[in-house]
Amino acid sequence: GDSVTQMEGPVTLSEEAFLTINCTYTATGYPSLFWYVQYPGEGLQLLLKATKADDKGSNKGFEATYRKETTSFHLEKGSVQVSDSAVYFCALKGSARQLTFGSGTQLTVLP
Amino acid sequence: GAGVSQSPSNKVTEKGKDVELRCDPISGHTALYWYRQRLGQGLEFLIYFQGNSAPDKSGLPSDRFSAERTGESVSTLTIQRTQQEDSAVYLCASSLQVVSTDTQYFGPGTRLTVL
Repeated sequence: GDSVTQMEGPVTLSEEAFLTINCTYTATGYPSLFWYVQYPGEGLQLLLKATKADDKGSNKGFEATYRKETTSFHLEKGSVQVSDSAVYFCALKGSARQLTFGSGTQLTVLP
Repeated sequence: GAGVSQSPSNKVTEKGKDVELRCDPISGHTALYWYRQRLGQGLEFLIYFQGNSAPDKSGLPSDRFSAERTGESVSTLTIQRTQQEDSAVYLCASSLQVVSTDTQYFGPGTRLTVL
């Protein structure tokens, strides 16, 4: 079945540092890939998505590229801010109708 | 509506009691999903609806869990004879359709605590 393996946290960075959160997946066919973010005390929000190979999703300075050859969708940001502190979830939607999520990565950015 | 809403936001119940959780999806969204998030874990799929029918109930953890959707809008998730392991945040999401490219929009969740 479908599965998502996500870099374990927690991750602690200083403000303006470079962020990478690794995500790899297993799926049949051609899934769509998503990054969701959960800020403290808030619900899950879509951060970005990519629906086919080599697509790059981007939002709020975050980027992720759909790499079919390495089955990866790593999340990157060049300069993190304190306000980026949250839990980040990688997810895919393939032949099944539901999203399959990774276990989440807690990011804390220190001033 | 503006977004997916869920009620109650918090529910504390005693072991063995039944609970009902409600989800109001975004107006016009035909697909509706229920997930469960246990403390410190990822999201676990429970059930989805296409319109009022639920083609895939494979994620429901036991026969104590059931869900229904009426009028292609409101959905209720019912847990009978609650157990302590049912304690979790129950999240509802909706999307325009069930196709793989459609974005699912999540509600704020219902935090269920079973004592």
